[in-house]
Amino acid sequence: NAGVMQNPRHLVRRRGQEARLRCSPMKGHSHVYWYRQLPEEGLKFMVYLQKENIIDESGMPKERFSAEFPKEGPSILRIQQVVRGDSAAYFCASSRPGQAYNSPLHFGNGTRLTVT
Amino acid sequence: AQKVTQAQTEISVVEKEDVTLDCVYETRDTTYYLFWYKQPPSGELVFLIRRNSFDEQNEISGRYSWNFQKSTSSFNFTITASQVVDSAVYFCALSEAMKTSYDKVIFGPGTSLSVIP
Repeated sequence: NAGVMQNPRHLVRRRGQEARLRCSPMKGHSHVYWYRQLPEEGLKFMVYLQKENIIDESGMPKERFSAEFPKEGPSILRIQQVVRGDSAAYFCASSRPGQAYNSPLHFGNGTRLTVT
Repeated sequence: AQKVTQAQTEISVVEKEDVTLDCVYETRDTTYYLFWYKQPPSGELVFLIRRNSFDEQNEISGRYSWNFQKSTSSFNFTITASQVVDSAVYFCALSEAMKTSYDKVIFGPGTSLSVIP
């Protein structure tokens, strides 16, 4: 009965490198959300994906950030050419279609990205 | 636009005291969900409660209680007889899932609660 699994738990990257964050949704879930928590702040919505489709990416920075949720495998949040300002905790949540009416989002434990 | 305000940035209480965390929200929609999440020092997010906009009944769960007042757009959270394990950051949040069918959740900035033994 595993929950949402995120890895790695901690990720350190130097400026200019790429960061890849993975999220495996709960079993049977085909929708994934990514949220970002900057230091000392609340979580901010980034993107909502269904299998092979981006539904709402209104919270994604225009450059360097991308997300995917392929037919097979985990969802990936990719940050290219990281900068210090990308240091944050990135949380993933998953749901079934229409689940928003029935139950709240449950989040993974997050990936803490540190850019040095 | 939707917004969640948690005016208390940090609160310190002595163990066994009661404490209320304030939450005020803004939305133009008549149907929405409100939430509270707890983030302990270990960093994970723990879901505490969800309340829909049609249900203004107060809720009690053990030492936790929630007061939803639509007239003042508030959804306050009270911990009775606080314990050291209650020390965490608490987030109030709002979702228009009833309209959008998915959970684009707007989080407040959080209130950091320290319970001193």
